[in-house]
Amino acid sequence: DGGITQSPKYLFRKEGQNVTLSCEQNLNHDAMYWYRQDPGQGLRLIYYSQIVNDFQKGDIAEGYSVSREKKESFPLTVTSAQKNPTAFYLCASSITMTYEQYFGPGTRLTVT
Amino acid sequence: AQKVTQAQTEISVVEKEDVTLDCVYETRDTTYYLFWYKQPPSGELVFLIRRNSFDEQNEISGRYSWNFQKSTSSFNFTITASQVVDSAVYFCALSEAGIQGAQKLVFGQGTRLTINP
Repeated sequence: DGGITQSPKYLFRKEGQNVTLSCEQNLNHDAMYWYRQDPGQGLRLIYYSQIVNDFQKGDIAEGYSVSREKKESFPLTVTSAQKNPTAFYLCASSITMTYEQYFGPGTRLTVT
Repeated sequence: AQKVTQAQTEISVVEKEDVTLDCVYETRDTTYYLFWYKQPPSGELVFLIRRNSFDEQNEISGRYSWNFQKSTSSFNFTITASQVVDSAVYFCALSEAGIQGAQKLVFGQGTRLTINP
């Protein structure tokens, strides 16, 4: 089955540690995205990538980093510089700019 | 700047009632795309519909229907004969058409819909 996988579903970290969230897709989509969702809020774009080895900052990129070494993979690192990292993180992909995005199941990150 | 407003934060209805979720958008682009997504309690967003700015035809898919009106910048979503399984948070979203090939979605705040048995 084609789709997007994110792991793990729940992640707990101590403050000051970097943590990497995984996102893999087998839909052969060119574009991939990372969003953050806080309780009762909509989604905010962190980073997006149109093609391998290229990515752009979204609206709230500070404290995050990404890489796009393979078409299928777009990992997100939450660094210690992110002031409020506790949130629900969603990865998505789409064929091209005009098409709908498909989302993974999300990773709920808790930093204490 | 682009903006999507979903004024209804929460809606609660009894099963089998019809319910309409409102979405109002702002954009200066002449070419844009509108979307609706459903987020059930599991958290994963499920794509429901995409509509481009040049197609104002209403769309019906089973119990779901969408009304797109450019004159009022609205893209409303109606569920007919609601069911408990329709309970979820629904997001309306708008995308720009011109950023280097990547689609940048702007989401509304979402409407939490609860269908009571």
